[in-house]
Amino acid sequence: GNSVTQMEGPVTLSEEAFLTINCTYTATGYPSLFWYVQYPGEGLQLLLKATKADDKGSNKGFEATYRKETTSFHLEKGSVQVSDSAVYFCALSDMNTGFQKLVFGTGTRLLVSP
Amino acid sequence: AAGVIQSPRHLIKEKRETATLKCYPIPRHDTVYWYQQGPGQDPQFLISFYEKMQSDKGSIPDRFSAQQFSDYHSELNMSSLELGDSALYFCASSSFGSEGIYEQYFGPGTRLTVT
Repeated sequence: GNSVTQMEGPVTLSEEAFLTINCTYTATGYPSLFWYVQYPGEGLQLLLKATKADDKGSNKGFEATYRKETTSFHLEKGSVQVSDSAVYFCALSDMNTGFQKLVFGTGTRLLVSP
Repeated sequence: AAGVIQSPRHLIKEKRETATLKCYPIPRHDTVYWYQQGPGQDPQFLISFYEKMQSDKGSIPDRFSAQQFSDYHSELNMSSLELGDSALYFCASSSFGSEGIYEQYFGPGTRLTVT
């Protein structure tokens, strides 16, 4: 079945450091890929997406490239801020079902210190 | 912009009681999804509806049922509650977009605590 694997956290960085959160997936067919962010006590917010191989999703300084050859969708940011502290979920949409339910990774907690 | 609305935001129930969670999707979104997120876990898909018909089913216990109404809001009914049902329940809504995908927008969640 479809699955998503993320690096375990927490990831602890100082402000302005470079961020990478690894995400790999297993899927039949060609899923769309997403990164969602969850701030403390809040719901899930779509951060960025990519719908086909070699697409790059970007938003708020975050980027991720859909790599079909390595089945990866790593999240990167050049300079993190304290306000980026949150839990980040990589997810894929199950294209085998017409309505594309999301399959999530286990989440990676990011802690950014001043 | 209008977002997904969920009510209540917090709910405390005792074992064996019943709970009803409500979800109001973004206007003109025709698909609603329910997810369950246990403490420290990733969200797990429960069930979805398209145009008031069940479109997909995940790991939803038989004690749970859901429906989507004519105004597109959805309700998740949970009976014979167990301690393990304590979780954050998310509703998401979407419509079929120009990129050929359903981009899901999540509500703030309902935190259910079963004591």
